[in-house]
Amino acid sequence: NAGVTQTPKFQVLKTGQSMTLQCAQDMNHEYMSWYRQDPGMGLRLIHYSVGAGITDQGEVPNGYNVSRSTTEDFPLRLLSAAPSQTSVYFCASSAMADTGELFFGEGSRLTVL
Amino acid sequence: AQSVAQPEDQVNVAEGNPLTVKCTYSVSGNPYLFWYVQYPNRGLQFLLKYITGDNLVKGSYGFEAEFNKSQTSFHLKKPSALVSDSALYFCAVRDDGGSQGNLIFGKGTKLSVKP
Repeated sequence: NAGVTQTPKFQVLKTGQSMTLQCAQDMNHEYMSWYRQDPGMGLRLIHYSVGAGITDQGEVPNGYNVSRSTTEDFPLRLLSAAPSQTSVYFCASSAMADTGELFFGEGSRLTVL
Repeated sequence: AQSVAQPEDQVNVAEGNPLTVKCTYSVSGNPYLFWYVQYPNRGLQFLLKYITGDNLVKGSYGFEAEFNKSQTSFHLKKPSALVSDSALYFCAVRDDGGSQGNLIFGKGTKLSVKP
């Protein structure tokens, strides 16, 4: 029972490089989201999607893009990495009818030099 | 705008003693409140939620939370702490401004249970 799978688990980038964090879920959940976790700041919502073809911005969307071409996948793209994007990124999903019970991936730790 | 506050960065408890992790909230309507736990190098796991009904909500691993509307609080409790309860705990509230799935998280409280 895989749940929410994130890849890669660790990544080091240089300033200005681009990359994609992958997220896939096998629970047929309509809702998916990306959060970043920084020390002393909790989790902050970057982008979210309520279904295939639908995405919207969260609290801290600048510097990130998302797409949702299928129900299963919700990749997060960093267009031009900056040191301020050094963080741990979490993908989460839930069934729309089950408000608030998010299923999280294991996280992707990104360092931007 | 909805928000939650966790006033303690860290809570230290001896094994076998009761524990409380505090959370206060601010919402414009009816609160939808949640607790999550994060073990080291892992994703967050859902513990329990309050939507409506009884003020005492029971969740996973023996945890419970008490909803207090007059004090706008939703404290997490456990009668007898275990060393394995040591983790980072997050309180969260549903963001009524966006999707039903969006949660606003507190900054987290580190629980340390000593033998």
